[in-house]
Amino acid sequence: EPEVTQTPSHQVTQMGQEVILRCVPISNHLYFYWYRQILGQKVEFLVSFYNNEISEKSEIFDDQFSVERPDGSNFTLKIRSTKLEDSAMYFCASILGDWGFHEQFFGPGTRLTVL
Amino acid sequence: GQQLNQSPQSMFIQEGEDVSMNCTSSSIFNTWLWYKQDPGEGPVLLIALYKAGELTSNGRLTAQFGITRKDSFLNISASIPSDVGIYFCAGQAGGATNKLIFGTGTLLAVQP
Repeated sequence: EPEVTQTPSHQVTQMGQEVILRCVPISNHLYFYWYRQILGQKVEFLVSFYNNEISEKSEIFDDQFSVERPDGSNFTLKIRSTKLEDSAMYFCASILGDWGFHEQFFGPGTRLTVL
Repeated sequence: GQQLNQSPQSMFIQEGEDVSMNCTSSSIFNTWLWYKQDPGEGPVLLIALYKAGELTSNGRLTAQFGITRKDSFLNISASIPSDVGIYFCAGQAGGATNKLIFGTGTLLAVQP
């Protein structure tokens, strides 16, 4: 069964460093998402991406964040200068299309720890 | 912003018991979803509800989409140890992005 994959599973970085989190969505899916979950809290929407551009972003997704689909299969989230409060699980998700309801399939997440 | 409040925050039950959890929103959603999250994993969809008043079952799970489209409940009957996890409701408002707004979560612990 096709699945969303994410790498690395755990990333430890120093405050101020840049990190890139990688995702491979399900191959025929068209919409891609990043969500964040701070430990013990709810899952929060960060950004949605369609047709090689951001379609919506939340207040959390400030200028320090960027997303890219560099090669037609990977979908990346970059944090330019990490802060302590960026420590969280980051989930990538993808859906097939936009007409009607389509299940969002989530990856297993990347745990980001900022020291 | 849109907020989904879930209750209870946590439940500690004996195997075989039924459980119920609910979710309320300050705004209307077109679709309500219930997800389960196991430790170290991403959320997995359990049930999706599309119409106000809809009652849907998936095995031992039953969920309803409230008539006002601002609330939903999830029932689990005859709980088993593998039901342990965090249950999240999520609303989907529709529109161009189909982003999900997640509830605050209910932690379920089942004692064998």
